[in-house]
Amino acid sequence: RKEVEQDPGPFNVPEGATVAFNCTYSNSASQSFFWYRQDCRKEPKLLMSVYSSGNEDGRFTAQLNRASQYISLLIRDSKLSDSATYLCVVKTSGGFKTIFGAGTRLFVKA
Amino acid sequence: GAGVSQSPSNKVTEKGKDVELRCDPISGHTALYWYRQRLGQGLEFLIYFQGNSAPDKSGLPSDRFSAERTGESVSTLTIQRTQQEDSAVYLCASSNPGETSGSVSSYNEQFFGPGTRLTVL
Repeated sequence: RKEVEQDPGPFNVPEGATVAFNCTYSNSASQSFFWYRQDCRKEPKLLMSVYSSGNEDGRFTAQLNRASQYISLLIRDSKLSDSATYLCVVKTSGGFKTIFGAGTRLFVKA
Repeated sequence: GAGVSQSPSNKVTEKGKDVELRCDPISGHTALYWYRQRLGQGLEFLIYFQGNSAPDKSGLPSDRFSAERTGESVSTLTIQRTQQEDSAVYLCASSNPGETSGSVSSYNEQFFGPGTRLTVL
């Protein structure tokens, strides 16, 4: 079993749609969680951290469920510019090693 | 300021040759990571450097892979006797390490370079 698993998609949605991605992790001692965004043939960039209480940044909402060991990303009112691969990232307890999921591809169409 | 830079941007080599990839982190960042990303796949952790501490080499896939870092600056990733399976984009990232308190360590954002696309023929 992979340490971090994501639905690879692709998700094809129209502009204005709401889309949700889930990610599961296997290490119950994982401490920190993040979503990164990677555009085609570009390097990943941090989208947002995921806090235990959940957090929101504009159209983006991240949630953490420690009991079930999954995190989610909700994108409301999708824009064409949201088309990208979204990477779930988990940091192991202690140290600084980070594990990236394989990513979920999103295509937003007009 | 300048971001993370990597060179070369593209490298084509023949099977069995050695290659060296370079990463220049953001000035002042003490933490440096190397990742491998195969086509259509996620990032695979290779190695982590933090200051003068012993690097975390747990992700290196074989003894053909090695990496060095001089102080808190440039890092090189060397792949010896390259194989076709080594073809991938090699990404470098740097960050401030955050703080460690007991077993809990905070995390600072990793800033990625543009990567080196390695093709082994």
